[in-house]
Order: sequence, then C-alpha cells, then structure tokens
Amino acid sequence: DGGITQSPKYLFRKEGQNVTLSCEQNLNHDAMYWYRQDPGQGLRLIYYSQIVNDFQKGDIAEGYSVSREKKESFPLTVTSAQKNPTAFYLCASSIQAVYNEQFFGPGTRLTVL
Amino acid sequence: QQQVKQSPQSLIVQKGGISIINCAYENTAFDYFPWYQQFPGKGPALLIAIRPDVSEKKEGRFTISFNKSAKQFSLHIMDSQPGDSATYFCAASMGNTGKLIFGQGTTLQVKP
Repeated sequence: DGGITQSPKYLFRKEGQNVTLSCEQNLNHDAMYWYRQDPGQGLRLIYYSQIVNDFQKGDIAEGYSVSREKKESFPLTVTSAQKNPTAFYLCASSIQAVYNEQFFGPGTRLTVL
Repeated sequence: QQQVKQSPQSLIVQKGGISIINCAYENTAFDYFPWYQQFPGKGPALLIAIRPDVSEKKEGRFTISFNKSAKQFSLHIMDSQPGDSATYFCAASMGNTGKLIFGQGTTLQVKP
C-alpha cells in the first residue's frame, strides 16, 4: 500500500449522516485522488487535487466534498446528499499529475445502514 | 469518448496457460495506459503501463501489447499461476490532470 493510509477500514453510517474518510500519504506526492468502486464496475473518479489548496471535481462529485489543506492529507466527506453511498472508497496519489502513475491506498468500505 | 471498454468480464485459465485481457478506447488524446491488479478487499496495485510510442512492453510474465491504429491494448499473463487470481483493470489517461479512466475489470481465476 506504499505509504498511503486510509482510515477506517470499515465504516457504517446511518442515513442522513455525513461521514468523513481519511487519506494520508507520506510519499511527498503533490497530486491526490478519490475513487469510488462498486461491485462489477471499474473505479470512478470523485475528486482530485493537483496541489495543496486546490481540487477539482471528477466524474461523480455530487454528494461529496473534499479539502486539501495539507500536502499529505486529502479527506473525503460523504454527505447526506449522496443517494447511494454504500461502496468501496479508494484514495490514490502521484508525484505530480503529469506523471500519471498513481499509487492506491488500502480502501475504506462504507456501508449505509 | 471517455470510455474504456474491457473484456472479458471474467476469465478462467489453467495453471501454466496464457491469460489475455483486452481493452479498447475511443479518445485518441489518451497517452498513458496502465494495468492494475486488485485482490479482494485491497487497493489496486500498478502492474505495468505503456505509452503510445511503443507497441509492446514486457515485465517478467506480464506483457502489454498496444495497437494505436485500432485503439486497443491488451494484457498477456504468461505461465499463469494460481497467485495471479485477482481482478485486473485497464485504464487510460491524458494530459496533465492525471485523471484515470478505468475499464470495468476482469476477474481472473487460475485453476491449479
């Protein structure tokens, strides 16, 4: 998992609650990414950040929010506006966005009860 | 235009055989094509990647073949082993955003 940690590994949430997933990297990478993985589907990009204090929406940003106040941290908040939040969430980082090669964390499995 | 189509969805291969997974894309601006390996409950791990200026790249038992004119690329796993049983994803990226577009994944089972 190469220097990227995600916590918690499993997370349970009641409907209507916001929840924040943690992603930390000690690789000194500039770029960080959040993906969502559903069974039988590939990974879909939620948000990405190429540099501190800047982030961009991915393909499925609705119902999610992020912040990038520190280089090593890129937390993802799943809000109550996300209609179907149960999924496996993966954080990734790369040296810089232009270098493409992304390294993934171990993931957080979120279940809405 | 942004999709990457991967096939087959699942694959069963005998130990020692060759596993072949294919991907196709539409956007000719894509310039980076990685393959990831993912075990259940784990994050994907980069296996091998290629850029359009070469037609083939080999790393150990894993080979990417790239056909720019057909807009297709494939992963070949030679001498497949039970430990290779996992889900494999192809992806494509372009430009300086680093945004990866993933295929739907192929679940490979290698029978002993």
